[in-house]
Amino acid sequence: DTGVSQDPRHKITKRGQNVTFRCDPISEHNRLYWYRQTLGQGPEFLTYFQNEAQLEKSRLLSDRFSAERPKGSFSTLEIQRTEQGDSAMYLCASSLVPSGSTEAFFGQGTRLTVV
Amino acid sequence: AQTVTQSQPEMSVQEAETVTLSCTYDTSESDYYLFWYKQPPSRQMILVIRQEAYKQQNATENRFSVNFQKAAKSFSLKISDSQLGDAAMYFCAASSGDKLTFGTGTRLAVRP
Repeated sequence: DTGVSQDPRHKITKRGQNVTFRCDPISEHNRLYWYRQTLGQGPEFLTYFQNEAQLEKSRLLSDRFSAERPKGSFSTLEIQRTEQGDSAMYLCASSLVPSGSTEAFFGQGTRLTVV
Repeated sequence: AQTVTQSQPEMSVQEAETVTLSCTYDTSESDYYLFWYKQPPSRQMILVIRQEAYKQQNATENRFSVNFQKAAKSFSLKISDSQLGDAAMYFCAASSGDKLTFGTGTRLAVRP
C-alpha cells in the first residue's frame, strides 16, 4: 500500500457540470475525511466516514455536494451544478481509530477548476 | 468548536539556522491533540510532529520540536539546523479525536 490515492489529480470543468472525485484510503484505515483547500488557506473540513457511515458533514457541504463510501473502502465526492466558487483543492485523508494518535494521512488532492 | 491561528503568513530562515513558527488555538475540549503538518509544493500534507494535550513533555522529532504552553494555548514549532528541503507551507492543526481544524499556514523559505 502506497498511501492515500486520489483521482483525478486535476479536473477542469465548465460551470454547471457535475464532477466526481475518488479517494482510496490506506487499506486498513477505517476513517476517511474530505477537506477543501482554497488558495492561501488551510484545509477546511467537509465530511468524514467511519467505515461506511457518514458521521459528520460541515455547513460548507451544500446540497450540491454528496459523498459516499459504500463498502467502507474507497469514497467518492460528487459536486453537482458546479460553480466558480467550487474551484479548490479537494483533499482526502484517512486514519485508523482508535489508535491513540488520530494521525491522518493525506492524499495529493484533486485540483478542481471551474470555468 | 476549535479555532487555530497562525499569525505569521511568511517566515524566512538561513540554511543551518533555527526558526520558530507560532500557533495559538482555542478549544473547549479537555482531551485533544495538536499537530504540525508540512505541505511542500507537490501539495501532499505530511505530518511533522504531534502533541497529546495531556502530556506535559514537549514532543521532539529529530530537528523538529514543539513548545507546548497549555495554559496559554500556544503550540509553536522549532526547526533546528534548517535545510533547503524544509521549505514549504506549515500548518498547525488541532483535533479532539475526529476532524482536524487547521490554521491558515506559514510559508517558510530557506535561504541557501
